[in-house]
Amino acid sequence: NAGVTQTPKFQVLKTGQSMTLQCAQDMNHEYMSWYRQDPGMGLRLIHYSVGAGITDQGEVPNGYNVSRSTTEDFPLRLLSAAPSQTSVYFCASSYSGSWGYEQYFGPGTRLTVT
Amino acid sequence: KQEVTQIPAALSVPEGENLVLNCSFTDSAIYNLQWFRQDPGKGLTSLLLIQSSQREQTSGRLNASLDKSSGRSTLYIAASQPGDSATYLCAVKDNYGQNFVFGPGTRLSVLP
Repeated sequence: NAGVTQTPKFQVLKTGQSMTLQCAQDMNHEYMSWYRQDPGMGLRLIHYSVGAGITDQGEVPNGYNVSRSTTEDFPLRLLSAAPSQTSVYFCASSYSGSWGYEQYFGPGTRLTVT
Repeated sequence: KQEVTQIPAALSVPEGENLVLNCSFTDSAIYNLQWFRQDPGKGLTSLLLIQSSQREQTSGRLNASLDKSSGRSTLYIAASQPGDSATYLCAVKDNYGQNFVFGPGTRLSVLP
């Protein structure tokens, strides 16, 4: 199993540009989520999904969009990048968020917005 | 709203020492608690998951305990090694929502 994979590893954007961060898992997990990690702020939840076709907002959803058309993939879209979105983004998955099983994390995408 | 804190923020110990990392949470109505390790520039690796009905979990040199009533969990690392140097995070899932709340982490350095 590859586990949770994320692409790209690094990205530099200009203010106002849009892009999609990719996340995929091959463990047939229903639950997937996106976090951002900032110095001094810890990990904060952006969006999550409890299954294909179902998504919901986390703590810091503004400026981000998600969709879940398949069990395997959960892309995160930045609609119009801002310097405040400079961060490290992590995708995670688990068997079922409602039952709180063990979370598995991807390696992260380091995003810089200039 | 659930809040998670970790003390100390950073810790430096000589190789071979036993050490304890602390995690505190404000709402005791938790579903489970998970400890992670994060190496610099890397993702999070799960170490131990404790369900609310459990008091402790062990994996190798690691032992995590949970005391829901006092809102605390500890991660005990026995006979520390330089390879244990990393940031350790705890995360709590409560009974109300779908997601985990993370602590800020403890940065551990084990000196040879």
